Amino acid sequence: GNSVTQMEGPVTLSEEAFLTINCTYTATGYPSLFWYVQYPGEGLQLLLKATKADDKGSNKGFEATYRKETTSFHLEKGSVQVSDSAVYFCALSEGGGATNKLIFGTGTLLAVQP
Amino acid sequence: KAGVTQTPRYLIKTRGQQVTLSCSPISGHRSVSWYQQTPGQGLQFLFEYFSETQRNKGNFPGRFSGRQFSNSRSEMNVSTLELGDSALYLCASSTGPSEKLFFGSGTQLSVL
Repeated sequence: GNSVTQMEGPVTLSEEAFLTINCTYTATGYPSLFWYVQYPGEGLQLLLKATKADDKGSNKGFEATYRKETTSFHLEKGSVQVSDSAVYFCALSEGGGATNKLIFGTGTLLAVQP
Repeated sequence: KAGVTQTPRYLIKTRGQQVTLSCSPISGHRSVSWYQQTPGQGLQFLFEYFSETQRNKGNFPGRFSGRQFSNSRSEMNVSTLELGDSALYLCASSTGPSEKLFFGSGTQLSVL
């Protein structure tokens, strides 16, 4: 079945450091790919998405490119802030766009220190 | 515009009991999805409803059920609670399938 694998955390960085969180997927067809963020005590928020190969999703300084050849969707940010501390989830959407069913990775905790 | 509202925020139940969780989607949203979040299993899809019809169901036992009302509000029910049902239950709404999901803050269920 479809699955998402992301790097285990926690990832601890100093403010203004470069961030990469790796995400790879296994899926049939052409799923849409997402990054969600969860701040403490809150639900998930969509950070960015990409719907086809070579698409780049971007938001709030975060970027991820849909790489079909490597089945990857790595999250990057050039300069992290303390306020970026949260859990980040990579996810894919099954069903060719006809469903809201998402398959999530296990999440990566990011802790940014001042 | 109010966000997705889940009630109650916290619940404590004992094994064998049943529980009903409620989700009020964003006004105008007709699609509601439910997810279970646990430290061990992560986020797992439970159900998806659109216009009162269940469109998709995850791999959970029959003790887990849900429904959606004509005003798009949704409830999920878990019967004969087990310790392993302790989790954060998240509801998400959208205008329709494959549209952007908006998540609520969740209901934290503890089964003792």
